[in-house]
Amino acid sequence: QQKVQQSPESLSVPEGGMASLNCTSSDRNFQYFWWYRQHSGEGPKALMSIFSDGDKKEGRFTAHLNKASLHVSLHIRDSQPSDSALYFCAASYNSGGSNAKLTFGKGTKLSVKS
Amino acid sequence: GGIITQTPKFLIGQEGQKLTLKCQQNFNHDTMYWYRQDSGKGLRLIYYSITENDLQKGDLSEGYDASREKKSSFSLTVTSAQKNEMAVFLCASSRDINQDTQYFGPGTRLLVL
Repeated sequence: QQKVQQSPESLSVPEGGMASLNCTSSDRNFQYFWWYRQHSGEGPKALMSIFSDGDKKEGRFTAHLNKASLHVSLHIRDSQPSDSALYFCAASYNSGGSNAKLTFGKGTKLSVKS
Repeated sequence: GGIITQTPKFLIGQEGQKLTLKCQQNFNHDTMYWYRQDSGKGLRLIYYSITENDLQKGDLSEGYDASREKKSSFSLTVTSAQKNEMAVFLCASSRDINQDTQYFGPGTRLLVL
């Protein structure tokens, strides 16, 4: 069973619109979450991390975490064509050492149409 | 800032061949990782190295070997390439293993004929 599940698989929004990406974990031991973005032909790049319940805002990007429901989301305001990419949710356990390694979801492909 | 370099960018191999992929980082990070990316399957961890001289198996280690030659370099070997295999291998590094952001290289694209 996939421990980190993302939805939707693909998403298309108009330029200037809001994109909302979702991530759910089936493992209650996951406590730390990241969003990574991968443009075609490149390696993933970390967008933001969120470790506490609530919202975290960085520019046009807002992440929301609800540990009780094991749900984390990413909202992109004023979407730009350059935001078109594959977005990964990743999670790790609370303990350190080898348990801190990341588990990735399968990704959401975002297309922003101009 | 820093950079992760992966060589080669493209690798075409034959079935049964042993293939080696190399990764270098100049972040001075302790921890390095190798992931495999297949279309529609996300990133799966093959091997990681918490510090120099350490080697840990990930979820997908069967069929692979790894070597942490020094702090800045981490190699991955496909022990016997499978026919029609096609994937991207991504190297990453982080300051340490504990809840730290990972920085990725551009990847090596493998095709086995």
